Amino acid sequence: NAGVTQTPKFQVLKTGQSMTLQCAQDMNHNSMYWYRQDPGMGLRLIYYSASEGTTDKGEVPNGYNVSRLNKREFSLRLESAAPSQTSVYFCASSDPGRNTGELFFGEGSRLTVL
Amino acid sequence: QKEVEQDPGPLSVPEGAIVSLNCTYSNSAFQYFMWYRQYSRKGPELLMYTYSSGNKEDGRFTAQVDKSSKYISLFIRDSQPSDSATYLCAMSGGSYIPTFGRGTSLIVHP
Repeated sequence: NAGVTQTPKFQVLKTGQSMTLQCAQDMNHNSMYWYRQDPGMGLRLIYYSASEGTTDKGEVPNGYNVSRLNKREFSLRLESAAPSQTSVYFCASSDPGRNTGELFFGEGSRLTVL
Repeated sequence: QKEVEQDPGPLSVPEGAIVSLNCTYSNSAFQYFMWYRQYSRKGPELLMYTYSSGNKEDGRFTAQVDKSSKYISLFIRDSQPSDSATYLCAMSGGSYIPTFGRGTSLIVHP
């Protein structure tokens, strides 16, 4: 059981380049999330999708776009990367029907913007 | 002031020590309280979950929630080097979307 799978695991971009981070989950979860983690800042929510067909902004959405492609997949796009977007990005999924808010995380995508 | 406050540490203890990790929060609507453990270069994994106030024990780990003081704790008994990780508190209310603390880095040395 793979859980939450993120690709790529590592990426180096130049300022102004674009890229898409891919995320897929195989747990039949309705909700999916994108977080970024920076030293001393903890996990900050970028965007989330409560269910297939819906997306909402989180705490730090500027500079990002998302697509909930289907129930399994949720992608994060950087249209014009900036050095401030250097971070570790985590995708997560959950089943709110369990009423616990437990998130299942991928292993992260480490992005460096030069 | 952030909704959830957590001292980032690092906290360094000898093997076998009792570890106390803590978070404070300001949102009275929080009712689900969680502790995640994150090993280096890995994603966070749920360690403990508590609903509302009270204690919950799981092996060497005990989670405590004091809603009147808006204070939660995680205790680790007989700490082991394998417990070395970052511990993130998280809490949520009706939306089930958790708000995370900054995480506390724990180092247990042999």
